[in-house]
Amino acid sequence: NAGVTQTPKFHILKTGQSMTLQCAQDMNHGYLSWYRQDPGMGLRRIHYSVAAGITDKGEVPDGYNVSRSNTEDFPLRLESAAPSQTSVYFCASTSGLAEETQYFGPGTRLLVL
Amino acid sequence: GESVGLHLPTLSVQEGDNSIINCAYSNSASDYFIWYKQESGKGPQFIIDIRSNMDKRQGQRVTVLLNKTVKHLSLQIAATQPGDSAVYFCAETAWGDSSYKLIFGSGTRLLVRP
Repeated sequence: NAGVTQTPKFHILKTGQSMTLQCAQDMNHGYLSWYRQDPGMGLRRIHYSVAAGITDKGEVPDGYNVSRSNTEDFPLRLESAAPSQTSVYFCASTSGLAEETQYFGPGTRLLVL
Repeated sequence: GESVGLHLPTLSVQEGDNSIINCAYSNSASDYFIWYKQESGKGPQFIIDIRSNMDKRQGQRVTVLLNKTVKHLSLQIAATQPGDSAVYFCAETAWGDSSYKLIFGSGTRLLVRP
């Protein structure tokens, strides 16, 4: 199993451009989450999904959209990027509730100019 | 509000010594705690967890201690090795807004001197 994969590894955007960060898992996990990691602030959850067809907002959802059409994929969409969205983004999966062990992907480093 | 914090942003230890990384949490209702290790350029990696009905749990070279009285969590690494150099995060799970939230601390960097 590849676990949790993310693409791209690094991307540069201009303010106002749109972008989709890809996340895929092959562990048949139901629960997927997106986090952003900023210096000195730890990881903060953006959106999450408990199963295909179900998504919900995390603690910092503004400026981001997600969809979950199947179990494997959980893309994160930035419709109009802003410099404040410069960050490292991690996708994580777990088989059950968020309290169980989460497996993190390798991350996507995004720079918005 | 809920928060998870760390006392020491950077910890430097000699190879072979034991390391202790501390973490304070503020939500007394949190019932599950996790330590993650993050190496440069990689995602966080699960190390060990503990539930609130326990005060100690041991893994391979790592021990987590939970003191609910003072809301304190610590990670002990025995015989620290160069490969242990990384940033370590504690996290708590708290119920809020009809879902579980995983709240991370800001991290402690562990540097192992050869």
